Amino acid sequence: EIVLTQSPGTLSLSPGERATLSCRASQSVSSSYLAWYQQKPGQAPRLLIYGASSRATGIPDRFSGSGSGTDFTLTIRRLEPEDFAVYYCHQYGNSPYTFGQGTKLEIK
Amino acid sequence: EVQLVESGGGLVQPGGSLRLSCAASGFTFSSFWMSWVRQAPGKGLAWVATIKQDGRDKYYVDSVKGRFTISRDNAKKSLYLQMNSLRAEDTAVYYCTRVDAGDYLWGSYRLPEYWGQGTLVTVSS
Repeated sequence: EIVLTQSPGTLSLSPGERATLSCRASQSVSSSYLAWYQQKPGQAPRLLIYGASSRATGIPDRFSGSGSGTDFTLTIRRLEPEDFAVYYCHQYGNSPYTFGQGTKLEIK
Repeated sequence: EVQLVESGGGLVQPGGSLRLSCAASGFTFSSFWMSWVRQAPGKGLAWVATIKQDGRDKYYVDSVKGRFTISRDNAKKSLYLQMNSLRAEDTAVYYCTRVDAGDYLWGSYRLPEYWGQGTLVTVSS
C-alpha cells in the first residue's frame, strides 16, 4: 500500500499570498497518477489536479501541481478567500488507492 | 450536468446491514467505472470499492472485503453498496464517485472525477 504524507498539517496564510502544499509517497507513484482535491466544510471533495500537473475542468490557473516519483506539490498562487479549505492528495494508480491525511489551509 | 445522488444511509447497530444507492444522471452511466469513497467524521478520505462498467471487475479495500459488496444496475443508472457485519469503524459519510479510468501496458488508473454529496452511515448501539 502506498502511504501518502501531506505537510504541513495546517497552513495559515492571508489572501493574496502563495500557498505551497506537499505530498510525499512511501513509494513511487505510477505514471504520476497523483491527484489533488479541495474540500470545504459540509461539501464533497472537488477534483483540482490530476496526473500530477493537469488542471481539471473549470479550475482557475492560480492552482498548479508539480512533481513526480515520490514528491508532489500543489501551489496556489495569490490566494482568494474561497481557497481556504482542506486539500487532499490521492494516488489512483495502485490498488488500494490511497489519500493523504489532508492539509488545512486557514486564513491568518 | 453530471449528478450523483446517494441514499440509504442511517443509524444501524453493530453487526447489522445497510444498502446504499447512488442514482446517476447527466452522463452515460454504463460507460464509466464507479467507486465508493468514505470519510469518517472529522477524518480524511478513504477509498472503499470500485466496479467496472459491466460489473464483472470489482476491487475492495482489505478492511471491507467479505463484508461489503459493490454492484450496479446499468438499466436503472444506479450504483449500490451492500454493507453487512457493520462495525463502529464503518461510521462515515459514503460518497459515490464517477471514475475516469484507463488501462495501458504500463499500468492502469482509476480517478474519482465527480462526487455525489454523500450519505451518512452511523454504526452504533
